[in-house]
Amino acid sequence: DVKVTQSSRYLVKRTGEKVFLECVQDMDHENMFWYRQDPGLGLRLIYFSYDVKMKEKGDIPEGYSVSREKKERFSLILESASTNQTSMYLCASRTSGRGPTPLHFGNGTRLTVT
Amino acid sequence: DQQVKQNSPSLSVQEGRISILNCDYTNSMFDYFLWYKKYPAEGPTFLISISSIKDKNEDGRFTVFLNKSAKHLSLHIVPSQPGDSAVYFCAASNEETSGSRLTFGEGTQLTVNP
Repeated sequence: DVKVTQSSRYLVKRTGEKVFLECVQDMDHENMFWYRQDPGLGLRLIYFSYDVKMKEKGDIPEGYSVSREKKERFSLILESASTNQTSMYLCASRTSGRGPTPLHFGNGTRLTVT
Repeated sequence: DQQVKQNSPSLSVQEGRISILNCDYTNSMFDYFLWYKKYPAEGPTFLISISSIKDKNEDGRFTVFLNKSAKHLSLHIVPSQPGDSAVYFCAASNEETSGSRLTFGEGTQLTVNP
């Protein structure tokens, strides 16, 4: 079974802090993703990466950056946290090639910015 | 613009009856569709998928129907069980051009009453 692990289940940070959300997958997947989930808005893609050191903006990248130094690890960075970044953050991974395949998600990090 | 829409935020059914969850999309280039289930405080889990070359895919109690001309897909759960109570997200991608990214709908909260 694919395992996607997010380092924190719950985080509380102050406005203006720099925040790191870490994600590790153990299935050698090429593609990794960061989504945020908000009520009534579904899952919105922040950033994704299809290879080490590669990154692509998703639909809502403003206020975020990412880092992928190793294949198994994908980090989401909030440069200066704001209250509108309070949300559930979901990391996912997916293999590429061999036809379409589903995303596998971690359990999420509930971030509260006060 | 919301390319994948789930117009019903919630659905309530009796145990043993059929649950039908609906999803519409606007991008005619989408060629792979998926349904995910999400319990509170957990990440979404993959349920079932369908490629655009098919119009139906079945897996146990779950069946997904795709109507390409109407740009509509639906998930049927029969018989519904209380454990099916969760938020259901539909998602879509274009495997040729968008690579591995999925676009999600807003979600539908399904409640199955005993």
